[in-house]
Formats: sequence, C-alpha cells, structure tokens
Amino acid sequence: GNSVTQMEGPVTLSEEAFLTINCTYTATGYPSLFWYVQYPGEGLQLLLKATKADDKGSNKGFEATYRKETTSFHLEKGSVQVSDSAVYFCALSRTQGGSEKLVFGKGTKLTVNP
Amino acid sequence: GAGVSQSPSNKVTEKGKDVELRCDPISGHTALYWYRQRLGQGLEFLIYFQGNSAPDKSGLPSDRFSAERTGESVSTLTIQRTQQEDSAVYLCASSYGTGVHEQYFGPGTRLTVT
Repeated sequence: GNSVTQMEGPVTLSEEAFLTINCTYTATGYPSLFWYVQYPGEGLQLLLKATKADDKGSNKGFEATYRKETTSFHLEKGSVQVSDSAVYFCALSRTQGGSEKLVFGKGTKLTVNP
Repeated sequence: GAGVSQSPSNKVTEKGKDVELRCDPISGHTALYWYRQRLGQGLEFLIYFQGNSAPDKSGLPSDRFSAERTGESVSTLTIQRTQQEDSAVYLCASSYGTGVHEQYFGPGTRLTVT
C-alpha cells in the first residue's frame, strides 16, 4: 500500500541554521507529494507540493524536489527563523476510485531557537 | 473568505457515550475529508465525500464510526459507544472537486474519552 516515512523529531536548531527533514514514500505509480505545516495553535496548512518527478515545490524559503529514483521528497531551508517552529508533515496523494485522500507521515516537530 | 470550521473545538465524553462532530467546509468545495490524528501519530484518513457520489468509507476503523454530508455542505462524524482509543484530534478538510487540489483543513475537534 501507500505509505510515507519521515525523519523522527524533534529537531532543534539555532536561527539561520540549515534545515533538512527527510521524507521517503512507497506508492504505486506516480503520486503527488506535499509538505504540510502546523504552526502552534493553528490548523494544518499546505506549505508546498510537487505533482510529477523532478518538480520542485517552493514556498517561504522552503524547497523540496520530487525524486522518483530515490522515492524521496526531502524538505530543505537554507536559513531557518524562529517563526518556522512548527510540526511538518510529508504526505502523498493518489487517486483511488476517485478518492484523493492524503497519506501522511507522522510529523516532525521543529523548534528554532534565537 | 471563511475557512473550514469545526465544532466543538474540544469534547470530553464518558466511555460508552455517543458523540457528534461537525464540519462546515469552504463554500463551493465539493470534496470533504475526515482525518484522525492520535497523539504522536500522523493523520489517518477516515472518510471522503465528493459531490453526490457514494462516499469512500475505507478508512473508518469500525462500524461505530459513521459520517453524513448533506449535499455539498455540512458534514457530521458520529462515533457511537465511544472507547478510550477514540481519543484524538479529528480534522476535517475540503477541496475543489477531484484531481490534485489543495486540501484546506479546519482547526480540528479534540476528543477525549474518559
């Protein structure tokens, strides 16, 4: 079946450090891939997405590249800020019988200290 | 415009009682999803509604769980004879139709079964 594995947290960084959160997936065919973010006290929101191999999603300084050969979609940011502290979820989407349900990883909590 | 809203935000119930959770999707969104997030876990898909099509119930964990949606508006998730393992945050999301569309999440209902 479809599944997503992301690195276990929590991750603690200092401001301006480089961030990588690893995500790999298992799926038949070609899923779409997403990173969602949940800021403290807020609902889950889409951070970026990629719908086909070699696509790069980017938003708010974050990037992730859809790598079919390694079945990966690692999240990166060159210089994190305190405001990036949140829980990050990697997810995939496959149409099955018309249903576009998302399959999520367990989430990685990021804390950025000033 | 208004986002996805859910009520109640918190619900504490005794084991064995029935609970009803409500979701108001974004106006015009034809697709509606329910997910469950247990402590320390990723989001689990529960059920998906798309227009007038039969819902995808493949994620419902037992026959104690059911959901309804009236047209393309409000949805209710009902859990009968609640058990302690039902304690979780229940998230609702909506999106435009089928295909790869961003899912917009509500703030969730935190259910605690004592």
